[in-house]
Amino acid sequence: SQQGEEDPQALSIQEGENATMNCSYKTSINNLQWYRQNSGRGLVHLILIRSNEREKHSGRLRVTLDTSKKSSSLLITASRAADTASYFCATNSGYALNFGKGTSLLVTP
Amino acid sequence: EAGVAQSPRYKIIEKRQSVAFWCNPISGHATLYWYQQILGQGPKLLIQFQNNGVVDDSQLPKDRFSAERLKGVDSTLKIQPAKLEDSAVYLCASSFTSGGSQETQYFGPGTRLLVL
Repeated sequence: SQQGEEDPQALSIQEGENATMNCSYKTSINNLQWYRQNSGRGLVHLILIRSNEREKHSGRLRVTLDTSKKSSSLLITASRAADTASYFCATNSGYALNFGKGTSLLVTP
Repeated sequence: EAGVAQSPRYKIIEKRQSVAFWCNPISGHATLYWYQQILGQGPKLLIQFQNNGVVDDSQLPKDRFSAERLKGVDSTLKIQPAKLEDSAVYLCASSFTSGGSQETQYFGPGTRLLVL
């Protein structure tokens, strides 16, 4: 079953703008991970945030986690055309990763 | 470092036929996963191996799907007989040790299956 649910389903922005995607989930987790998928490179791990962390940064990525609301957000700053892809959150409550349906991001020049 | 390899990249078959997918994980990775990704959805775990043992196959449709990892390295996933609803991308992933909750999974490019 897919626990995470991303919002919005699709997002279109211009280069240089920021993109924010949200993820909600239902049960308690050990950690939450964000992945990117494009046709050229498949699924790529972006960042992992543990359940006892509230915010994490990696380059132009900023992830927040609110376990009381069972939600996470992914912020991509100063977006580039190369950021065009689908973004998935995946929750981990044991060994298995449970992926959401993803947010499709389009960054236009 | 070589990534996760999968073959074939594309496969078209008719319903009721059989098909097999192959995966070679990153060298040294003990844990191997097979996921099914239907168009418009996120990946769904089918089976997880640690070395050559099955850790989780609770979502594998065992009446038609089978998977093996005999020597703890390469793995094959088979569908027999295929149904129309099996049309999807089949992703293989691997991780370094026990597949614990803190580990990153590395994904292959996937095999795109179309069942007619």
